[in-house]
Amino acid sequence: DQQVKQNSPSLSVQEGRISILNCDYTNSMFDYFLWYKKYPAEGPTFLISISSIKDKNEDGRFTVFLNKSAKHLSLHIVPSQPGDSAVYFCAASPGGGSQGNLIFGKGTKLSVKP
Amino acid sequence: DAGITQSPRHKVTETGTPVTLRCHQTENHRYMYWYRQDPGHGLRLIHYSYGVKDTDKGEVSDGYSVSRSKTEDFLLTLESATSSQTSVYFCATRGGVHEQYFGPGTRLTVT
Repeated sequence: DQQVKQNSPSLSVQEGRISILNCDYTNSMFDYFLWYKKYPAEGPTFLISISSIKDKNEDGRFTVFLNKSAKHLSLHIVPSQPGDSAVYFCAASPGGGSQGNLIFGKGTKLSVKP
Repeated sequence: DAGITQSPRHKVTETGTPVTLRCHQTENHRYMYWYRQDPGHGLRLIHYSYGVKDTDKGEVSDGYSVSRSKTEDFLLTLESATSSQTSVYFCATRGGVHEQYFGPGTRLTVT
């Protein structure tokens, strides 16, 4: 069973508008969440993260929101740019003695159209 | 990014042959990971290492083995490749608390 779910396989947004990528999780023991961005034929690159003790983290055009009661997090990209077109993975860390292992969602492919 | 290289970057092999993929890092990170990425599955952990000669299984470890004799190198071996192991393989390292940094990937095709 999936512990980290990205229910939208794809998302298309116009350049300049907001992109909102969503992620749901089932394990309340997750204590840290990360977003990765992946271009074709490249490895995933770390984008932004948030601790479970916070509800928002912002870095430039990227903001991650965490709603612990709903077990939901979202990544907002404002304004969206064509170079943001990529696959975005949500990941969660179980904390404790997990050796830092991450559990990834299946990804959402974002297309930003000029 | 951590200096992570993977070799080979592309490989085509036949069913039943052994295959070894190499991950090399220059950041002296303690933790190293092997993932596979398949359509519809995202990134799934195969094996990981928490130090030299210290390794453990991940979610999809069947058919794979690993070795880590030096901090900088983490090898993934498919003892007898099968078509279900056709995938893109990523190595990652972790030096801090949570963030993992990924290599460029190896595309493996088993015919």
